[in-house]
Amino acid sequence: DVVLTQTPPTLSATIGQSVSISCRSSQSLLDSDGDTYLNWLLQRPGQSPQLLIYSVSNLESGVPNRFSGSGSETDFTLKISGVEAEDLGVYYCMQATHAPLTFGSGTKLEIK
Amino acid sequence: EVQLVESGGGLVQPGASLKLSCVASGFTFSDYWMSWVRQTPGKTMEWIGDIKYDGSYTNYAPSLKNRFTISRDNAKSTLYLQMSNVRSEDTATYYCTRRDFDYWGQGVMVTVSS
Repeated sequence: DVVLTQTPPTLSATIGQSVSISCRSSQSLLDSDGDTYLNWLLQRPGQSPQLLIYSVSNLESGVPNRFSGSGSETDFTLKISGVEAEDLGVYYCMQATHAPLTFGSGTKLEIK
Repeated sequence: EVQLVESGGGLVQPGASLKLSCVASGFTFSDYWMSWVRQTPGKTMEWIGDIKYDGSYTNYAPSLKNRFTISRDNAKSTLYLQMSNVRSEDTATYYCTRRDFDYWGQGVMVTVSS
């Protein structure tokens, strides 16, 4: 199975600060169809996960553009440019290139 | 508005069976692959499997394939997860999602304990 390693496990930020979360894969997530199926999800406290970014860098509809994704093959990054209070929660990367689909262990974002 | 509403969870004894349901609305259910994902009490996320839009094909996590079965009834816009011979490690919140993971249900808790 593909192992996704997220760092850091926890992140503390002030409002307005920019932060990045890393997700490293144990194997390339580039699919034979040319796409890379690496998504980012946010789970706010007490809520279901929500999709933020799909296929590395595509912003899901309705998601603020302070969120951005980048990377390729095995190294991926989620950046929040100017953290807001509503961004607190746990961020997960997940891959859908290889079966079984797998998730990272999560990065908890706390607001100082 | 897209909605996914799970039901059927609760407290179940080890070795028992349980069937979860997920009723979809706000989109054409029969056009979409659907998935089940679970989250353990320790917040670990695990993909269970998915099912093709017409129900003709399913994929499963190898570790669950022998005990879990995904099915659907497009006439009822409902997705199912049949769980058999449940174990304590199946204790989790179970989510149904569209296969693109763009919409998630509110989740249903399953606790396996004697």
